[in-house]
Amino acid sequence: GIQVEQSPPDLILQEGANSTLRCNFSDSVNNLQWFHQNPWGQLINLFYIPSGTKQNGRLSATTVATERYSLLYISSSQTTDSGVYFCAVTSGGSYIPTFGRGTSLIVHP
Amino acid sequence: SAVISQKPSRDICQRGTSLTIQCQVDSQVTMMFWYRQQPGQSLTLIATANQGSEATYESGFVIDKFPISRPNLTFSTLTVSNMSPEDSSIYLCSVEDLPGGSYEQYFGPGTRLTVT
Repeated sequence: GIQVEQSPPDLILQEGANSTLRCNFSDSVNNLQWFHQNPWGQLINLFYIPSGTKQNGRLSATTVATERYSLLYISSSQTTDSGVYFCAVTSGGSYIPTFGRGTSLIVHP
Repeated sequence: SAVISQKPSRDICQRGTSLTIQCQVDSQVTMMFWYRQQPGQSLTLIATANQGSEATYESGFVIDKFPISRPNLTFSTLTVSNMSPEDSSIYLCSVEDLPGGSYEQYFGPGTRLTVT
């Protein structure tokens, strides 16, 4: 099956800093989503982005499908950005997403 | 987009007992999924539940341990049977929805289970 690798595994930032999270995948994808899991365990949809670029406030994402990677940008980070960020993809005829291991982000005040 | 609720939100259970987790969706959906997330780990799919048919279990998960019901298009239950401390995890219900014409996955708030 498709492999999904996220980097870095851990990230510690000072409030106000910018960061880039990466998701590499081993095959062509039909769907790609970014999620934020907050400290209470809730998974929140950030972006549905199988290709192209999207922006939502301080967050933006870019997927270059031909090169098999996606990037999530967080600008002017806030303590509420802390949590784990997951990339999930589906490929081929499968409707079941494969999740990466996530990037754990801690933003200090 | 689909709005999903789960009950209970958390529970502490004794070894050897069973817990049933409920998942309610505010719209009719064809496919519902149950995931397990062990502490510090990513999400692992337990099974896919379609209305009117048996759930499809992933490798490593069996119906006797994780029986699933899907009585209609808005509701599902997952039972964690004969629990052991290794079952301590967050259990998440998920659905696929088509908010903009493409399948997106949405998650419930999760059930945090601790087995003592």
